[in-house]
Amino acid sequence: EAGVVQSPRYKIIEKKQPVAFWCNPISGHNTLYWYLQNLGQGPELLIRYENEEAVDDSQLPKDRFSAERLKGVDSTLKIQPAELGDSAVYLCASSLSSSDSPLHFGNGTRLTVT
Amino acid sequence: QKEVEQNSGPLSVPEGAIASLNCTYSDRGSQSFFWYRQYSGKSPELIMFIYSNGDKEDGRFTAQLNKASQYVSLLIRDSQPSDSATYLCAVNTGFQKLVFGTGTRLLVSP
Repeated sequence: EAGVVQSPRYKIIEKKQPVAFWCNPISGHNTLYWYLQNLGQGPELLIRYENEEAVDDSQLPKDRFSAERLKGVDSTLKIQPAELGDSAVYLCASSLSSSDSPLHFGNGTRLTVT
Repeated sequence: QKEVEQNSGPLSVPEGAIASLNCTYSDRGSQSFFWYRQYSGKSPELIMFIYSNGDKEDGRFTAQLNKASQYVSLLIRDSQPSDSATYLCAVNTGFQKLVFGTGTRLLVSP
């Protein structure tokens, strides 16, 4: 079974530039998550999708962050414009829709904003 | 008060010893609990989950849950240097909202 696939693995951009991250979840996993992880911290939820619907985006900074999951499978997270403080690892995870289902993470995208 | 609290460590144990990692949570209605291991520069990987009060064993790992005390722990028996990593406690507070602690760094010395 293929795991959660994310790209790119690393991204370096200058501040004020846009950036996008892509995620393909495990086949059959209807729930998709984007998390942000700063160094020495646990992952923090940005947005959660059930199929194509964003059911929890309360922690997403909507002035600069956007996400989409148009066909209920893969997803894109965008930042425009990026700020220095956005430097972090962006993790995508997926799970079955059951409330007790564990999350499976992709390898993450390490973003550096200079 | 943070929703999920862990001691950041590092917790240092000698090879072969039992490592005990602890986690407390604030939402009494939480139903499911997960332990993830994260090696430096890698993404979290699931090692155990527990839903009911008591102990759950899987190989060298034992998860313990006490909902009355809002406490979940992970025991690693016969610790190996390869167990050196950060261990993240995650709590499902309802409606698939998974909240992570900051993690405990474990160091197992040969």
